[in-house]
Amino acid sequence: GAGVSQSPSNKVTEKGKDVELRCDPISGHTALYWYRQSLGQGLEFLIYFQGNSAPDKSGLPSDRFSAERTGGSVSTLTIQRTQQEDSAVYLCASSLASDNEQFFGPGTRLTVL
Amino acid sequence: GESVGLHLPTLSVQEGDNSIINCAYSNSASDYFIWYKQESGKGPQFIIDIRSNMDKRQGQRVTVLLNKTVKHLSLQIAATQPGDSAVYFCAERFKAAGNKLTFGGGTRVLVKP
Repeated sequence: GAGVSQSPSNKVTEKGKDVELRCDPISGHTALYWYRQSLGQGLEFLIYFQGNSAPDKSGLPSDRFSAERTGGSVSTLTIQRTQQEDSAVYLCASSLASDNEQFFGPGTRLTVL
Repeated sequence: GESVGLHLPTLSVQEGDNSIINCAYSNSASDYFIWYKQESGKGPQFIIDIRSNMDKRQGQRVTVLLNKTVKHLSLQIAATQPGDSAVYFCAERFKAAGNKLTFGGGTRVLVKP
């Protein structure tokens, strides 16, 4: 079956612009996660959605970052007024429930000039 | 705070030999651990997991060992193949803090023919 998909695969933007990154989780997965991976580094947790519960936003680095998940499926990560330090690969994962294996998408590589 | 780290950033292995990748974690309350494999340009791919009530788990050509006494996790790959060349990440979860994963910095495995 289809895995987690993300779009765009690459995004180049200018400092100060807003960007939206999209994640389509695996159908039926109730949990969705966003992580950030800087060059040569491990993954850094950003935000987690589980069903209709309030999201865990504890990993968002600043108030310029926000995410929503509509209809319990597709999620959008928005970064406002992008900065050069926001350049990274943004990875989305989903799991069947909160206590299950997380499946990752291919990521969106964001470059802020 | 919570942290997960790796002892060796790069591991060169002869094809056919066994590989051992090590990981240290600091949160003794973590209850779930996972190893991921990440190839260039792709998202992390689940390899094997282990819960804190176990000390060993085997998969196909892979074994994960958990030593809670010294907070150490290792991944053993038997008969390493060229397709095993990738970056390997360990991750931990402390369920009481939510289902987010805390990742280590990664170890690059290079398989020499």
